[in-house]
Amino acid sequence: AQSVAQPEDQVNVAEGNPLTVKCTYSVSGNPYLFWYVQYPNRGLQFLLKYITGDNLVKGSYGFEAEFNKSQTSFHLKKPSALVSDSALYFCAVRDIGGGADGLTFGKGTHLIIQP
Amino acid sequence: KAGVTQTPRYLIKTRGQQVTLSCSPISGHRSVSWYQQTPGQGLQFLFEYFSETQRNKGNFPGRFSGRQFSNSRSEMNVSTLELGDSALYLCASSIVGAAPTDTQYFGPGTRLTVL
Repeated sequence: AQSVAQPEDQVNVAEGNPLTVKCTYSVSGNPYLFWYVQYPNRGLQFLLKYITGDNLVKGSYGFEAEFNKSQTSFHLKKPSALVSDSALYFCAVRDIGGGADGLTFGKGTHLIIQP
Repeated sequence: KAGVTQTPRYLIKTRGQQVTLSCSPISGHRSVSWYQQTPGQGLQFLFEYFSETQRNKGNFPGRFSGRQFSNSRSEMNVSTLELGDSALYLCASSIVGAAPTDTQYFGPGTRLTVL
């Protein structure tokens, strides 16, 4: 069975500083990894995904994520945080054996950017 | 291109009643998945439909059901509502859904409150 862990319930970062939101995963086959963001009273917005290839994936709104197979991690990063980045972030996974199964999500990490 | 739409956005029901939620996918998307989001359990996969057929189902009781129409629009139904069914119900569409790499795009959700 596949699983995702987001070890931090909340991450606080000062505006302008770099940010990292952590994610580790467990799958039986090759992982397909996704990051989504959720603003209050909204659905999930797709940020980026890792399929194969370069370990550094670039996505929307200046976000990027680094895939590390040996550490089974897929951390979300941004070089310079904005107050508007404050939201709930979800990491999700599907493995190649999962076929059409749904995404498995982590519990989410609240990102708070302080002015 | 219009995004995923869900109706209604908010619903209040009482225990024992049943409810039907509707989802219209992005034009050209043929796969629709449903998720339940609660503070305690997080995001959990309910089921996925493709070409009017349920292709996968998560670990939910039979009170939760769904269907998909020939135009790819989908409905989910919850019968005999319980207090624990109070949640944000999210619909996601993707092009075909079967490929693990397929990106799911989410609607704004329907907030169901069971009294």
